[in-house]
Amino acid sequence: DVKVTQSSRYLVKRTGEKVFLECVQDMDHENMFWYRQDPGLGLRLIYFSYDVKMKEKGDIPEGYSVSREKKERFSLILESASTNQTSMYLCASSLGGLDGSYEQYFGPGTRLTVT
Amino acid sequence: AQRVTQPEKLLSVFKGAPVELKCNYSYSGSPELFWYVQYSRQRLQLLLRHISRESIKGFTADLNKGETSFHLKKPFAQEEDSAMYYCALSERNSGYSTLTFGKGTMLLVSP
Repeated sequence: DVKVTQSSRYLVKRTGEKVFLECVQDMDHENMFWYRQDPGLGLRLIYFSYDVKMKEKGDIPEGYSVSREKKERFSLILESASTNQTSMYLCASSLGGLDGSYEQYFGPGTRLTVT
Repeated sequence: AQRVTQPEKLLSVFKGAPVELKCNYSYSGSPELFWYVQYSRQRLQLLLRHISRESIKGFTADLNKGETSFHLKKPFAQEEDSAMYYCALSERNSGYSTLTFGKGTMLLVSP
């Protein structure tokens, strides 16, 4: 059973703080993704990674960065948190590869509040 | 650019009634479409994908390329079907695939 875990379920930070959201998957998946989920807007892709140390911008990368130093771990970084980054953040992974499955498995989410 | 449209934010039905959650897409290539579901306090999970042509929990979805639609249907809704449903379109590249999600439809099934 694929497990995607996220470091926190709830997080409260102050404006201007640097915020780290961690995601770990245990199935040796190649691809990992960070989304934010907002009511009425659905899921929007922030960044994704298809290999260690590789990253690609998604649809809304502004104000975010990512790090993937190990295959199983994908971190989302808010360099200077702002109130408009208050949201639910979802991490996902997929097997990938040329013949691999592209089904994405999601973590439980981190609800971040920036005050 | 690819796009996924779910026209209804909320769909409210009574138990036993038929359900159809609409999804339309725009994509220049050959589409791969999925339905994901999120039950209350649970993580988002795959419900079904068009290439497998299977029925999951009584739900089916047929890809209609002429109408660029992938509507999710169930003949008799159950209370436990109440959840948020997202339609998603896959864009494949060499070695990876990204998903574009619709904005979601909340399904409420009343007793």
